[in-house]
Amino acid sequence: AQTVTQSQPEMSVQEAETVTLSCTYDTSENNYYLFWYKQPPSRQMILVIRQEAYKQQNATENRFSVNFQKAAKSFSLKISDSQLGDTAMYFCAFMRVWGGKLIFGQGTELSVKP
Amino acid sequence: DAGITQSPRYKITETGRQVTLMCHQTWSHSYMFWYRQDLGHGLRLIYYSAAADITDKGEVPDGYVVSRSKTENFPLTLESATRSQTSVYFCASSEPGDSNQPQHFGDGTRLSIL
Repeated sequence: AQTVTQSQPEMSVQEAETVTLSCTYDTSENNYYLFWYKQPPSRQMILVIRQEAYKQQNATENRFSVNFQKAAKSFSLKISDSQLGDTAMYFCAFMRVWGGKLIFGQGTELSVKP
Repeated sequence: DAGITQSPRYKITETGRQVTLMCHQTWSHSYMFWYRQDLGHGLRLIYYSAAADITDKGEVPDGYVVSRSKTENFPLTLESATRSQTSVYFCASSEPGDSNQPQHFGDGTRLSIL
């Protein structure tokens, strides 16, 4: 069975600085997808970024980028130039290629301070 | 408007009562899911459905019942609510193989059981 672990329950960062959120996972699959979701206080689940395991290149979406280390089963999220609107809970998630089901980590609550 | 709608958004009930959470999607997605969100656990899968009349257990199915008589609806029933079922419940839908938007989430139902 797959598992996803986020070992940082809470983090804080100053506005305009960079922060990295950690995620590790365990799977015996060779091909799969990894995601970071953002959940602001409104409770919406917002997809931030996705990574296909067969791609070596790290995904990037504007200020958000990942460091995907397949052998180490690590998938960290870097947020550059942090903004107050980045304050939210962030979830790392795993999905098998045709499985459909998402397996989530425990979440990291990020506070961006002015 | 296309989307996924959960109702109610908030619900308070008493232990032992039956309560049903509703979920409706307008995309005709094959897959639908129910998750519960608890502090320290992230989102955990309760039940999912791959098509109408096909349902399967997730990680935490005990105490819950689902049905899917129509593709667009996937209600979740707590037959005899317990305090441990106090949680935020999310419904989601997806199409197989669509990793670009792996799941579309509803806005969640906050359920409190007294």
